[in-house]
Order: sequence, then C-alpha cells, then structure tokens
Amino acid sequence: EAGVTQSPTHLIKTRGQQATLRCSPISGHTSVYWYQQALGLGLQFLLWYDEGEERNRGNFPPRFSGRQFPNYSSELNVNALELEDSALYLCASMRGTYNEQFFGPGTRLTVL
Amino acid sequence: AQSVTQPDIHITVSEGASLELRCNYSYGATPYLFWYVQSPGQGLQLLLKYFSGDTLVQGIKGFEAEFKRSQSSFNLRKPSVHWSDAAEYFCAVGEEGFTGGGNKLTFGTGTQLKVEL
Repeated sequence: EAGVTQSPTHLIKTRGQQATLRCSPISGHTSVYWYQQALGLGLQFLLWYDEGEERNRGNFPPRFSGRQFPNYSSELNVNALELEDSALYLCASMRGTYNEQFFGPGTRLTVL
Repeated sequence: AQSVTQPDIHITVSEGASLELRCNYSYGATPYLFWYVQSPGQGLQLLLKYFSGDTLVQGIKGFEAEFKRSQSSFNLRKPSVHWSDAAEYFCAVGEEGFTGGGNKLTFGTGTQLKVEL
C-alpha cells in the first residue's frame, strides 16, 4: 500500500510570492491534515480537510489556504510569502475519525 | 487547551543501553496518545498509539509506552537501543471531539536521541 506522498520535495520562493504544495493521501483515507514544522516553533496544526471541505484550521492567517479534491488529494496554498513561512510542511492522512495519522515526507519551503 | 511536554530536549545513550523518553500531557478527558519518530529531513513515522484498554502498549522497532493517568504521562521505552534509533522523537495528544470530528494532534517539542557506539 502506497503511503502519503507530497510534492515538491523542496520549494524555493521569494518574499511576496505564492507557494502551492500538494499531498496525496493513502488510498481509502478521506481526511487530510496539514502541519507546519518551523525551526524553533515545533509542529503546528494548520488545516484539516475531510470529504472535500475545510473542517478546521489552526492559528494561521488567511493567506494559508487550501482545498481537497474529489479524489481526496489536497493542495496547500500560501500567499504573500513571508520569511517566517520557511518551514517543513507535513501532510497527514487518516481513515475515519479517531485514528492514527500517517505522515508524508514533507515539502521543505524556503522563502528568500 | 491540551498541551504536551517533553522535558528532555537531547538525550545520549550508548548502543545496547535502555532508553526512556518522557512525555507529560495536559488534557481534560481520556486522551489519544501517540509517539512518532522523525529521521533527518523525513516525515513522521508512527511508533505506537494509545486509545484505551491496556495501559502498556507495544509498538514497532521494539518500542513500548505506558500510559499513567495519575501522572499524566506516556513515557516511551526500549530495553536495548540500536544505533539506527538515533532520531527525533515526538509525543502527541489527539483532541477528541475536535470540532466536526477528526483528530487534531498537539505535539511536544521533541527529544533528539543520540546513540553512542
């Protein structure tokens, strides 16, 4: 069974640009979670998508947004990039409601 | 709001020695608890989980953890560490009743494990 995949592996942008990160969940998983792992800040919950809808978000500004497609894959968009957005962005998928989350390898976003 | 504390930022053990990584949580109800491991530049791999039942849970790679409600702890243990266990370890609590269902994870700050040969 294939695991969670994320693309691209690395992304380099300049301040003010937009970044798009992609995630494909494990087959049969309908929930996708996004987390940010920034240096010194640890792992922070960003967004949760389930059945195509945004269900909840963490304490991040609206320029962090995304969507979930009918095949349950997901996209995270970060607009108006700031230097402090540089981080590893991890996607996780989950089957059902209260279960373990399976993580992808992450996308390393660097903002110059 | 729930929180997770991992009091040890760095731990160094000799290969073959036993290991215990500490985790304390703050959560009002019965928590869902997890331990994940992260190798450099990689995502998180689930080592084990506790949802209910037996308070001693077994995981992959020879790891186990014990849930102690009275101490609000979920410490990770391994009887004999291998050099390949060097990585960063994260304890996490899942929030039950997260709005709309789901299972938002709150992570500790991680413990970096170094293994001396």
